[in-house]
Amino acid sequence: DAKTTQPNSMESNEEEPVHLPCNHSTISGTDYIHWYRQLPSQGPEYVIHGLTSNVNNRMASLAIAEDRKSSTLILHRATLRDAAVYYCILNYGQNFVFGPGTRLSVLP
Amino acid sequence: NAGVTQTPKFQVLKTGQSMTLQCAQDMNHNSMYWYRQDPGMGLRLIYYSASEGTTDKGEVPNGYNVSRLNKREFSLRLESAAPSQTSVYFCASREVRPLNNEQFFGPGTRLTVL
Repeated sequence: DAKTTQPNSMESNEEEPVHLPCNHSTISGTDYIHWYRQLPSQGPEYVIHGLTSNVNNRMASLAIAEDRKSSTLILHRATLRDAAVYYCILNYGQNFVFGPGTRLSVLP
Repeated sequence: NAGVTQTPKFQVLKTGQSMTLQCAQDMNHNSMYWYRQDPGMGLRLIYYSASEGTTDKGEVPNGYNVSRLNKREFSLRLESAAPSQTSVYFCASREVRPLNNEQFFGPGTRLTVL
């Protein structure tokens, strides 16, 4: 199974941009890259996903490397409510392979 | 529109007891999933149902059974609970076609097996 690696934790200041990296060197051509986040005692919440091209939505941007072996989730202006564990996930068919996640702390 | 609901929210079992975790979604999604999350770790897929009437094993199916009762409901059964099954269990649903779409997760069931 394709795996992802992420830093264990990151810190950001409020209202500054945050770049969360993910490595997925064994990704296959049909794997989608999904990002979810999880607040304490809650289920994961969808953030964004993509296949090859960079993607933007109201929550974030996803930058995918040309060789697709890595990607970066970009939060344009971090708020205190963005403090969560962020998971980079490879999706092939019905399988979602969760990585260990990055715990993002946002400092006021 | 409640999304994905799970019952119960909390459960304590003794080793060897059985129980069924219930999940329902009101978004008319075809696919449903059961995950477990151990402390400090990411989610691992137990079973999934691509559509009504079908179920398939995920990464960690041993010790569990599932039933896709209808399009709305997908239950997870522990026949003989073991302490290693102490975890938080999440149900999710998703519509796969026409696009590769996101999963919607329930609030989770926190299970402790003594």
